[in-house]
Amino acid sequence: QSALTQPASVSGSPGQSITISCIGTSSEFANYVYVSWYQHHPGKVPKLIIYEVDHRPSGVSNRFSGSKSGSRASLTISGLRTEDEAYYYCTSYRGGSTYVLFGGGTKLTVL
Amino acid sequence: QVQMVQSGAEVRKPGASVKLPCEASEFSFSKYYIHWVRQAPGQGLEWMGVINPAGATNYAQTFQGRITLTTDTSTSTAYMELRSLRSEDTAIYYCARGFLDRMDLWGNGTTVTVSS
Repeated sequence: QSALTQPASVSGSPGQSITISCIGTSSEFANYVYVSWYQHHPGKVPKLIIYEVDHRPSGVSNRFSGSKSGSRASLTISGLRTEDEAYYYCTSYRGGSTYVLFGGGTKLTVL
Repeated sequence: QVQMVQSGAEVRKPGASVKLPCEASEFSFSKYYIHWVRQAPGQGLEWMGVINPAGATNYAQTFQGRITLTTDTSTSTAYMELRSLRSEDTAIYYCARGFLDRMDLWGNGTTVTVSS
């Protein structure tokens, strides 16, 4: 069964940039175009921040950007702010498939 | 206000079932997919299943045979029923509006506690 692997934690200082990776174990993940990212502050509702690899929903800061190369998708947050401290999850969906898969989540700490 | 509204907390005994509502407010319910995602204490988000505007469903393999998603378009309400509950099903259950590949508007979540 395919899985999405994320680092358990990353950290950065205010103003810096960080990148969170999301690696697909399925050989098919390299062909996936439907990769999304969600921000989740504990106690609050998850928020969609990136969809279709690199698209930002209306209202999401351009400090958030997504990319994908082969089996690795990435979320980059530039100009880190304390309010960015949260959990970040990648998801994938393969067109024609019948499921959505979440990565294990990454805790971002802004030092 | 455009939102997905979920009900308050539920408590069930092991072996019981729970059916959670999720009401769409101020948007055209019939245009969107409705996903269900849960988060157990100390764990990450877990996708459970989706129902499309035509009523067709897809379920995560983990829940096959125990979950049923339905919608009532007359009340713009989606439902998630989970059967044969066990303690590991204790979690916050979210509904979310979206498309097949993403969820762009999340409900506030319903806490389900399974305990004898």
